[in-house]
Amino acid sequence: DAKTTQPPSMDCAEGRAANLPCNHSTISGNEYVYWYRQIHSQGPQYIIHGLKNNETNEMASLIITEDRKSSTLILPHATLRDTAVYYCIARINFGNEKLTFGTGTRLTIIP
Amino acid sequence: NAGVTQTPKFQVLKTGQSMTLQCAQDMNHNSMYWYRQDPGMGLRLIYYSASEGTTDKGEVPNGYNVSRLNKREFSLRLESAAPSQTSVYFCASHRWAAAFTDTQYFGPGTRLTVL
Repeated sequence: DAKTTQPPSMDCAEGRAANLPCNHSTISGNEYVYWYRQIHSQGPQYIIHGLKNNETNEMASLIITEDRKSSTLILPHATLRDTAVYYCIARINFGNEKLTFGTGTRLTIIP
Repeated sequence: NAGVTQTPKFQVLKTGQSMTLQCAQDMNHNSMYWYRQDPGMGLRLIYYSASEGTTDKGEVPNGYNVSRLNKREFSLRLESAAPSQTSVYFCASHRWAAAFTDTQYFGPGTRLTVL
């Protein structure tokens, strides 16, 4: 799995968009970018993943740069319940099911 | 549909004691995983089972053994607990699918303290 780099912490005002960056400059062509989050000691929760096109689901949007060396997770209208540690993971989508977690970004939503 | 369940939720052991952490999933997933998470750290893979009848070591397997009892259940055993094994243990399962929906589902965790 390619190494990913994330800022250790970020703050965002409630109701605003939270933009979480991730650098994965050594990502290979068949590695997907996954995002998980972990809310206060609960088990991690899947958010979204993508290969090269931007993706959107009911939780978030994922913007991947054209060279795929970085990506941004966007929570469009952050709420207090979005306070969590967010993990960015780059991995092959099949044949290698293990996830390698770094230390992630601790996102705090400010009322 | 309970997802991934783990027992117990909390456990305190003395050094040298043994115990088994239980994990079960009701989503008919093929793959199951055990991770540990130390304070302020990300999750680290201990063991995984790609399918029923197979197990493989992850990043930090020393001091642990696993059993994939059947498709639903994957247990983690500490034969002789050490204080360094104080951690939160998460079990996860994975539904391999040819389509895009490829995600791991995690249990609520077992908080283990070894004195």
